[in-house]
Amino acid sequence: DSGVTQTPKHLITATGQRVTLRCSPRSGDLSVYWYQQSLDQGLQFLIQYYNGEERAKGNILERFSAQQFPDLHSELNLSSLELGDSALYFCASSVGTDTDTQYFGPGTRLTVL
Amino acid sequence: EDQVTQSPEALRLQEGESSSLNCSYTVSGLRGLFWYRQDPGKGPEFLFTLYSAGEEKEKERLKATLTKKESFLHITAPKPEDSATYLCAVLTGANNLFFGTGTRLTVIP
Repeated sequence: DSGVTQTPKHLITATGQRVTLRCSPRSGDLSVYWYQQSLDQGLQFLIQYYNGEERAKGNILERFSAQQFPDLHSELNLSSLELGDSALYFCASSVGTDTDTQYFGPGTRLTVL
Repeated sequence: EDQVTQSPEALRLQEGESSSLNCSYTVSGLRGLFWYRQDPGKGPEFLFTLYSAGEEKEKERLKATLTKKESFLHITAPKPEDSATYLCAVLTGANNLFFGTGTRLTVIP
């Protein structure tokens, strides 16, 4: 158990809908990262927050957004969902930024029908 | 363009048969190289971090090494419970953790 929690574990929704994924980092970690993992593409970095501020951005679509709250939990919002958004979404956390090791949560499996 | 390539894509070993997994990279300003293990449907589990060429880290049957162009994950006398996908990731100068697509290891009893 990495200490990173994610809810929900599974989510099934329809195209065009909007969903919110939630992540609680390990105690003491200030950075939260979001990743998408699909069968054909491997782990893709989406976005990083550090102590409430956006720190780095990867291949995140404009339909997706994230935020980190004062209690350091983070939410990833996915809107206007498409079939291709079906994937595992992982959250990771680290103490700070840069070279700190990232610890991953168990993931949320999103299925868009 | 930053690139991480892992080989082989899949590897089947008999229990006790040692082997190595390769991670070659082309990135601008490597700041660290990470190895993770991932079981199906679960989050990646951290194994090692390597920061500079020549560095080695060991944990049980696993040993990771780093050169200027690649990293190896050596598995000595593997057991069935070592079956998993092993992911390599590099931290680039732009502060992104860039993952390879992994090597799927199966250890047969």
